[in-house]
Amino acid sequence: SQTIHQWPATLVQPVGSPLSLECTVEGTSNPNLYWYRQAAGRGLQLLFYSVGIGQISSEVPQNLSASRPQDRQFILSSKKLLLSDSGFYLCAWSLEKEQFFGPGTRLTVL
Amino acid sequence: AQRVTQPEKLLSVFKGAPVELKCNYSYSGSPELFWYVQYSRQRLQLLLRHISRESIKGFTADLNKGETSFHLKKPFAQEEDSAMYYCALSPRGYQKVTFGTGTKLQVIP
Repeated sequence: SQTIHQWPATLVQPVGSPLSLECTVEGTSNPNLYWYRQAAGRGLQLLFYSVGIGQISSEVPQNLSASRPQDRQFILSSKKLLLSDSGFYLCAWSLEKEQFFGPGTRLTVL
Repeated sequence: AQRVTQPEKLLSVFKGAPVELKCNYSYSGSPELFWYVQYSRQRLQLLLRHISRESIKGFTADLNKGETSFHLKKPFAQEEDSAMYYCALSPRGYQKVTFGTGTKLQVIP
């Protein structure tokens, strides 16, 4: 069966520090991969999605970037975190339309 | 561009009362509509999709193209229905999914 992992589960970082959040999927090949930010009152905001290795679509211009170095690995990065980057980050995968979500990472930028 | 609107941030109903969670969308093409649910301390998961025309946990949703709506309904709310509900849209043939801002359903015993 397929599983999706995200780490770390929680992260506290100072303003200006770099960020790397990792997401991996097991049990499937060539999935579509997604990064979302979930905020109260703002719902799920799509940040990036990828339909294949090295293919990244950015939905919101911002301080973040994404990479897909391997088929089942999706990484969310930042060179310098801002206070506004605080939030709950969700990774998801799909083969067709149904999306399967990871447990999320709670990021606090101080 | 596609857009999904959920006008209610919070909906409180008594156990046994009917539930209707509203969802309106804007998209010029042919959309696929979904409802996702997140129970407390659980992952976000698919509840139902319009093309399946199925009832899940007593919930149904009908796509009304004339009113561009996809409201989620249940005739008798249960306490275990308390959760966060998200409406979502994906253009047919594309992988991008746009979510609404979500509605928190609170079922009062």
